[in-house]
Order: sequence, then C-alpha cells, then structure tokens
Amino acid sequence: EVHLLASGGGLVQPGGSLRLSCAASGFTFSNFAMSWVRQAPGKGLEWVSSISGSGGSTYYADSVRDRSTISRDNDKSALSLQMRSLRVEDTATYYCARGDWNEYFQYWGQGTLVTVSS
Amino acid sequence: QSVLTQSPSVSGAPGQRVTISCTGSSSNIGADYDVHWYQHLPGTAPKLLIYDTSTRPSGVPDRFSGSRSGPSASLAITGLQADDEADYYCQSYDSNLSGSVFGGGTRLTVL
Repeated sequence: EVHLLASGGGLVQPGGSLRLSCAASGFTFSNFAMSWVRQAPGKGLEWVSSISGSGGSTYYADSVRDRSTISRDNDKSALSLQMRSLRVEDTATYYCARGDWNEYFQYWGQGTLVTVSS
Repeated sequence: QSVLTQSPSVSGAPGQRVTISCTGSSSNIGADYDVHWYQHLPGTAPKLLIYDTSTRPSGVPDRFSGSRSGPSASLAITGLQADDEADYYCQSYDSNLSGSVFGGGTRLTVL
C-alpha cells in the first residue's frame, strides 16, 4: 500500500525559512516523479513543485520559483521542499503527491500546515 | 482566480445524478491536455477520482464518470450517496504556465 507522510510544517515569521519533508513507502520511490501541492485556508488546490524520479529535473510554479528548492533522496525514499523568504500568502496545507508536473497525482499524503505570520 | 473555472457548489438528493463542470481555455483543456478529477474531504488527503479525462482508477465506483468537450470537462456522479459529499477539483496542464493547474473546486452537498 502506498503511504506518503508529510511533515515539517509550523509557524514561521514572514521572511523566514522552512523545510518540508515527505516519507514515502509502498512503492519503488525512484521510479516515480513526486510533487508538492498546497491549499491555502478556504482556497483551492495549487500545484507548487515537481521533481523527476532521478531528481535530475525540477519544476516550480511561478508563485514559489526562486524561493523554493525541491529535492529527493531515493535511497531514503524521501522528498523535501526547502522554502525561503516565506510570505503570508504561503500559508497553506502542503501535500506531497506521487505524480508529475504535467500529469495526474495518483496518491497524496495527509498534508502538513505551514503558517506564515508575525 | 483559478485558471480552470468550476461552479462553487452543486447539490442533489440521494440517488440523483449531478454534473460538475470545469472550463478552461486554449492553453489547457482546449489544447487537448488531459483532465483529471479529485475528491477532497477537508482534513484528509485528496483522492484521485478520474484521470486522463475519463479513466477510473481501481476501486473508484462506476457511478463516477468523466468527459470533455472543447475547452470544458465534466464529472458526472450518478446514484448520489451521502458520503459523496465533498469538494471536487479538476486539474490539467497549462502550456502558458508550464505547469499543472486546478479548478477552484466545487462543493457537493447531498441533500
């Protein structure tokens, strides 16, 4: 059974940094692209970033480009999202999902809440 | 403002049929990029319901079906059940934005 567990969320001040993690199990991690999708309070889903199975290709939404870095450790079946220069509008629940930037997201984790506030 | 447009809400009685629409443009659905649908109950992980416009993943009942026409797509749910009450999102790829885009979501209420 595929299982994705996101962690690392919390309260951070505007301008701060945060690193989100996602532990994957139940499938051959390196065979699949992985993504982050977020949902701001009361809003819809928004794709954030994706990384290929090898880690060699990365993709970002304009809203986080230049402020975020997605990475993966295939030996540990782990996905990460390093977020910098955080803004109030980055407040959201962040979901890790198995799937690529231009396809569907087949499996989703439970999400981790990031709150950017002073 | 979402790139894909969905009605904010839809409702139906148990056993009825409802449709949820998703309207895009020439850079996404209208460009023949696939459409995918998700069911999301607040506080839980979203669930893939339909992929590649009309294909159901294993385990999704055939009460759920997807279709498309031009720059729009639709999700139909027949035989409404109480536990169908959730938010539904469409998703596609947008060539102008070079990334995935979602609709704003439609809240389904089962009366």
